[in-house]
Amino acid sequence: RKEVEQDPGPFNVPEGATVAFNCTYSNSASQSFFWYRQDCRKEPKLLMSVYSSGNEDGRFTAQLNRASQYISLLIRDSKLSDSATYLCVVNMLTGNQFYFGTGTSLTVIP
Amino acid sequence: DGGITQSPKYLFRKEGQNVTLSCEQNLNHDAMYWYRQDPGQGLRLIYYSQIVNDFQKGDIAEGYSVSREKKESFPLTVTSAQKNPTAFYLCASSSAAGGLNEQFFGPGTRLTVL
Repeated sequence: RKEVEQDPGPFNVPEGATVAFNCTYSNSASQSFFWYRQDCRKEPKLLMSVYSSGNEDGRFTAQLNRASQYISLLIRDSKLSDSATYLCVVNMLTGNQFYFGTGTSLTVIP
Repeated sequence: DGGITQSPKYLFRKEGQNVTLSCEQNLNHDAMYWYRQDPGQGLRLIYYSQIVNDFQKGDIAEGYSVSREKKESFPLTVTSAQKNPTAFYLCASSSAAGGLNEQFFGPGTRLTVL
């Protein structure tokens, strides 16, 4: 079983739409959670960390559900510039290893 | 500016040659990582290091070697034993302290075997 699983998509949505991605993780000892964004042929960049109480950054909202072992990312009012691959990342402080999902592809259509 | 640098950006290698990819960081991070990404696939961990002069194998270490002689540097050597080395190689670093210690990535090196 993979440590982190994501729906690969692709998600094709019109501008202005709201889109949600989910990610599940297998190890209940996981401590830190992140969403990264990766543009084509570029390195991943941190989009936002995910806090236990949930957190919001502009149009982006991240939620963590420890009981069900999943995290989510909600993007409101999608922009063309949101088109990218979104990676779910989980860290277990023991050994300080990071586990990546395979990513969810988003294309925002004019 | 603090960050991670990788060089070269593009690298071409003939079969049977060893090549070394550079990774340098000035973030004062203890932990450094090497990943490989193939088209349409996720990141796979090659090696990681939590502290100078120590490193551990990741999921796909065969055919690769690393060193960590300085905190700032974590070079990766792709040896001739790596059967399918053409890929996008990403170096990352993070603070080894507890808490929300996110990873920061370098711009990557694209290796092509001719």
